[in-house]
Amino acid sequence: GIQVEQSPPDLILQEGANSTLRCNFSDSVNNLQWFHQNPWGQLINLFYIPSGTKQNGRLSATTVATERYSLLYISSSQTTDSGVYFCAVMKGYQKVTFGTGTKLQVIP
Amino acid sequence: SQTIHQWPATLVQPVGSPLSLECTVEGTSNPNLYWYRQAAGRGLQLLFYSVGIGQISSEVPQNLSASRPQDRQFILSSKKLLLSDSGFYLCAWRQGRGTGELFFGEGSRLTVL
Repeated sequence: GIQVEQSPPDLILQEGANSTLRCNFSDSVNNLQWFHQNPWGQLINLFYIPSGTKQNGRLSATTVATERYSLLYISSSQTTDSGVYFCAVMKGYQKVTFGTGTKLQVIP
Repeated sequence: SQTIHQWPATLVQPVGSPLSLECTVEGTSNPNLYWYRQAAGRGLQLLFYSVGIGQISSEVPQNLSASRPQDRQFILSSKKLLLSDSGFYLCAWRQGRGTGELFFGEGSRLTVL
């Protein structure tokens, strides 16, 4: 099946710093999403981005489908950004495969 | 608008006891439904998915089973729980046609003692 790898696995940031999270996938995909899992376990949808670039406040994402990767940018990080960030891809129209996750800790 | 609910939110069960986790979706029809498990705080493992009533695909052989008795209801079950079944279970849905966005429920935290 399709492999999805995220980097870095762990990241510690000072509040106010910027960061880039990466998601690589091993095959062409129909769909790609970014999620944030907060400390209570809730998975929050950030971006639905099979290709191109999108922005939402301090967050933006870019997917280059032909090169099989996606990037999530976090600017001016805040402590509430802490948690685990997942990318998830869909090949075909049924199964959704998640990446390994990036655990982010933002310290004041 | 569409909503998804899971229950119970928290469950503590002895080894060997049965399990039933329920998930329902409102505001849509014929969704694709998914059960994921997350152990050790990282990584979501796809357990089952369903594209219609009575249609279940299993991704990982284990002592868990899933059923879809109604269009918007998805149930995760076990006849006898193992210690290794402990974890955070998440139900998700997406629109059945096309490549729509995936949405998650609140999750059910299971501890097997």
